[in-house]
Amino acid sequence: TQLLEQSPQFLSIQEGENLTVYCNSSSVFSSLQWYRQEPGEGPVLLVTVVTGGEVKKLKRLTFQFGDARKDSSLHITAAQPGDTGLYLCAGSEAGGTSYGKLTFGQGTILTVHP
Amino acid sequence: KAGVTQTPRYLIKTRGQQVTLSCSPISGHRSVSWYQQTPGQGLQFLFEYFSETQRNKGNFPGRFSGRQFSNSRSEMNVSTLELGDSALYLCASSVGLAALGTQYFGPGTRLLVL
Repeated sequence: TQLLEQSPQFLSIQEGENLTVYCNSSSVFSSLQWYRQEPGEGPVLLVTVVTGGEVKKLKRLTFQFGDARKDSSLHITAAQPGDTGLYLCAGSEAGGTSYGKLTFGQGTILTVHP
Repeated sequence: KAGVTQTPRYLIKTRGQQVTLSCSPISGHRSVSWYQQTPGQGLQFLFEYFSETQRNKGNFPGRFSGRQFSNSRSEMNVSTLELGDSALYLCASSVGLAALGTQYFGPGTRLLVL
């Protein structure tokens, strides 16, 4: 089973600050997804990155997939209290008997204070 | 279109008992995946069903089993419950295999084992 290390585990910042969450592995993934989960709800997909070096933007959120498809980052510009939540990265295993199995990082709990 | 629904939402059981959780996918979705979420281990993949066949399986003991019906609805069963089985159990549905598309998560079933 491939492992994804997500950091930091906790992040507490003031409104308007920028932040970056990292997702790292020693294994290659065929794709990587980022989710946001709020209390009492299931995770909601934010983005899927597939190509090494790919950068995707979703309003104030920028997602990057590493060139070797082993790591990814999520950068939030000018964070707002509405960004508060649990952010999860998930990698889809590239091949073998576990093809397509999603491995999740431990998650980053983000709190944005007004 | 209705989202993924899970029943029951909350459940309390005692050690040694068995439990069955239910998941109704979004209409037209043929894949259902199950995950266990705990504060210590994060979100872990249990199994994926597509067209009534188990397509992928995580690293959980045989006490955890599942099935999918012809209408794509899925059930997950845990036998001989242990305290460590207390968790939020999430199911997610997708049109095709989870690795090939977008998964939509339900709100989860919170299981407490006493």
